[in-house]
Amino acid sequence: NAGVMQNPRHLVRRRGQEARLRCSPMKGHSHVYWYRQLPEEGLKFMVYLQKENIIDESGMPKERFSAEFPKEGPSILRIQQVVRGDSAAYFCASSLGQGREAFFGQGTRLTVV
Amino acid sequence: DQQVKQNSPSLSVQEGRISILNCDYTNSMFDYFLWYKKYPAEGPTFLISISSIKDKNEDGRFTVFLNKSAKHLSLHIVPSQPGDSAVYFCAAYSGAGSYQLTFGKGTKLSVIP
Repeated sequence: NAGVMQNPRHLVRRRGQEARLRCSPMKGHSHVYWYRQLPEEGLKFMVYLQKENIIDESGMPKERFSAEFPKEGPSILRIQQVVRGDSAAYFCASSLGQGREAFFGQGTRLTVV
Repeated sequence: DQQVKQNSPSLSVQEGRISILNCDYTNSMFDYFLWYKKYPAEGPTFLISISSIKDKNEDGRFTVFLNKSAKHLSLHIVPSQPGDSAVYFCAAYSGAGSYQLTFGKGTKLSVIP
């Protein structure tokens, strides 16, 4: 009974490069959420997706960030032209239905150097 | 604007004693509250939740109390164990069908053997 799987666990990128973070939800879950945790902060909502649809991306920066959840394969959070301020832990969560007890993955720790 | 506040960044408790973690909120629309536990380099793990129609929910050693008039909730752990040492996040949903969790900044609990 695999939980939410995120990879990579750690990602180092130079300023200006692209970062691609992957998330495979729990089996049977079709609702995926991405959260970001900056140092010494709580988790902040970024985007909510269902298969092939972005439902709410209100928490995601308008530029350089994009997310997708294709029909086949994992959800991807893409950050283009990374800057130092993008360094954070990015968590993916999934749920069976909308809202309520979402289960989180172990996170991807992005470091921009 | 911090809608969910955990004013104690850290808490130390002796093994076997009670741990009380506090959380205050400002958004009257919040109607469902959750506590997550997080170990270093791991994702948040769901611990216990409470609906706004209740004032108490108990699960083993963990009890959550909700005081709606004071916009305050607390998590009690009795008896505390060294394995409980982690960061505890308070989080909330607002309204039926809501999917966006609002998190506090967390309280680091250390249980001393």
